[in-house]
Formats: sequence, C-alpha cells, structure tokens
Amino acid sequence: SAVISQKPSRDICQRGTSLTIQCQVDSQVTMMFWYRQQPGQSLTLIATANQGSEATYESGFVIDKFPISRPNLTFSTLTVSNMSPEDSSIYLCGSTDYNEQFFGPGTRLTVL
Amino acid sequence: AQSVTQPDIHITVSEGASLELRCNYSYGATPYLFWYVQSPGQGLQLLLKYFSGDTLVQGIKGFEAEFKRSQSSFNLRKPSVHWSDAAEYFCAVGGTTNAGKSTFGDGTTLTVKP
Repeated sequence: SAVISQKPSRDICQRGTSLTIQCQVDSQVTMMFWYRQQPGQSLTLIATANQGSEATYESGFVIDKFPISRPNLTFSTLTVSNMSPEDSSIYLCGSTDYNEQFFGPGTRLTVL
Repeated sequence: AQSVTQPDIHITVSEGASLELRCNYSYGATPYLFWYVQSPGQGLQLLLKYFSGDTLVQGIKGFEAEFKRSQSSFNLRKPSVHWSDAAEYFCAVGGTTNAGKSTFGDGTTLTVKP
C-alpha cells in the first residue's frame, strides 16, 4: 500500500492565524481525504479531494474555514483558517488503494 | 446514513487474557468494515478489513474479526493480549473502498494489566 507523509507533525499556533498542512503520497492516487480527530474523540471526515476538481465538504465544514488544494495526484494541502482553540485537533489525511484505506501519521495542532 | 457504535468506551484486560471489542454498524447495503488501531501519538494502522467472502477475517498482530450480518456486528478478537496491544481501537464502515468516506466509531481504549 502507499505511504503517506504529513507536514508539520505538530504545531502550536496563535488564535486568529492560519496553518497549512501538507500531505504527500508516494504514489498516484485518485482520491485523498482529510479527517479531524478532536481530543478524546473519533475521526470526522472534513472533505474529500480529487485532483482537478473542488473538494467536497461534509456537513459542518466549509471551504472558507478549511480550504483544500489538490494540485496533482500525489499531493494535497489543508489550511485551517482563522484558528480558535476549538480547532485544536489531530488532522489526518488519507487515501484509498484497491481494497485498503491508509492514513498519514497526522498533524497535532494546538491553538492558544 | 451509515453509523458505527462501539459500546465499550474503555476495556481493561490482563496480559495473556482474551479480548473482544464490540462494533455494531448501520448501513443500507453490504458494508465494507474495518478495524484500526491508534497507539498514543501515532497514526492509524489498519488491523483488518472485511469486504466479502469468509465472514471470519484474519488481521495483523494476531487479531481477527467476525462479520455477522444478522446482528450488524463486526467484533474484534484476540486470544491472548500482549502489553503492547494497549491502544485506541476504531471500527469503521464504508460503502466502497474507493469512496474513501468511512464513518468511524467513537473508539475503545484498551488498557492491559501486567
């Protein structure tokens, strides 16, 4: 299966700023997606990103807050905009391969 | 809408004892089912998956899970738990693998006593 890397692995940010998380896959994939895992909670899908089209956001998530780029078949970014302490979470990117889903190691974000 | 319920928030077992983690799902068609493990500070690792065929699936690290359609369940089992199995376990359901849109349960935290 493909291997996914994420940058940064963790960050501490100030309220009102923005952070862009990068996700790199070591092979070409059609679909990439972004999940959020708030402290002590499960994973919630933010959006699905296909190359060449706009991301599809799940209920409760909007593009202005979580803009996503997908410039090619191996890379995606998620920006967390105008951050507040409620955005403190682990953000995971992932993709699917035939018969398997796989995830990056996550980005642990703390907003002060 | 699809959903997953993991009834047990926290389970404690002694090392060497058997383990069963429960998972119930709701899905309108044939589900694709997954179990993941997340160790502290680590990402998600796929333990096993069910798509079709034999309802008893084998995974990594000695784990297995059984799909029971009549009970809408996909419980995870291990005959003898090791201290290194202490982690968070997530059950997930999805429509097709290429959809990528899995719904995760709230997770079960496993503590292993020496």
